[in-house]
Amino acid sequence: KNEVEQSPQNLTAQEGEFITINCSYSVGISALHWLQQHPGGGIVSLFMLSSGKKKHGRLIATINIQEKHSSLHITASHPRDSAVYICAVRIGGNKLVFGAGTILRVKS
Amino acid sequence: DTGVSQDPRHKITKRGQNVTFRCDPISEHNRLYWYRQTLGQGPEFLTYFQNEAQLEKSRLLSDRFSAERPKGSFSTLEIQRTEQGDSAMYLCATGGLAGMNEQFFGPGTRLTVL
Repeated sequence: KNEVEQSPQNLTAQEGEFITINCSYSVGISALHWLQQHPGGGIVSLFMLSSGKKKHGRLIATINIQEKHSSLHITASHPRDSAVYICAVRIGGNKLVFGAGTILRVKS
Repeated sequence: DTGVSQDPRHKITKRGQNVTFRCDPISEHNRLYWYRQTLGQGPEFLTYFQNEAQLEKSRLLSDRFSAERPKGSFSTLEIQRTEQGDSAMYLCATGGLAGMNEQFFGPGTRLTVL
């Protein structure tokens, strides 16, 4: 079993829909990252959080440390949000352990 | 553009050849990481440098793989006697001072071993 599990693996939404991507982990962590990866490989960090909730524009990330669970929400989704969203957890020092990613496609 | 650059962006090589990739970090970043990502999977940790010291290596990093960061700035990742299973995206990420734990990723080098 992977230490970081994401769901769903694939998600197709209509433009404007509210989207939720989930991440569960099985180990103690010092922080959790949400990352966005576009075709061609470039990865951009969206959020780093260790408790509570963060918001940036239409993106919201929450984490529940006791339940070892985090969610990434996208409000008013747009085709430009289409990408792979990756959850990664920091275990111990600085090493990140990544989920397999959620492929999001937003149709207009 | 995160400020982290990697070269080359794409590399096609024949099985058995050696390849070397380079990562140039954001100048003030003292932490540097190498990751490998295969199709449909998330990245996997390979190795980590703090300044010029290689502090951690994954068991994924077989003896055919070696990484250096000689002056604590750019880093190189060399794969000797490449195998088809080495085909992947090799990602470099860098980070600043301890306590500021965000990592900034380069665009990656896509390796294809024929």
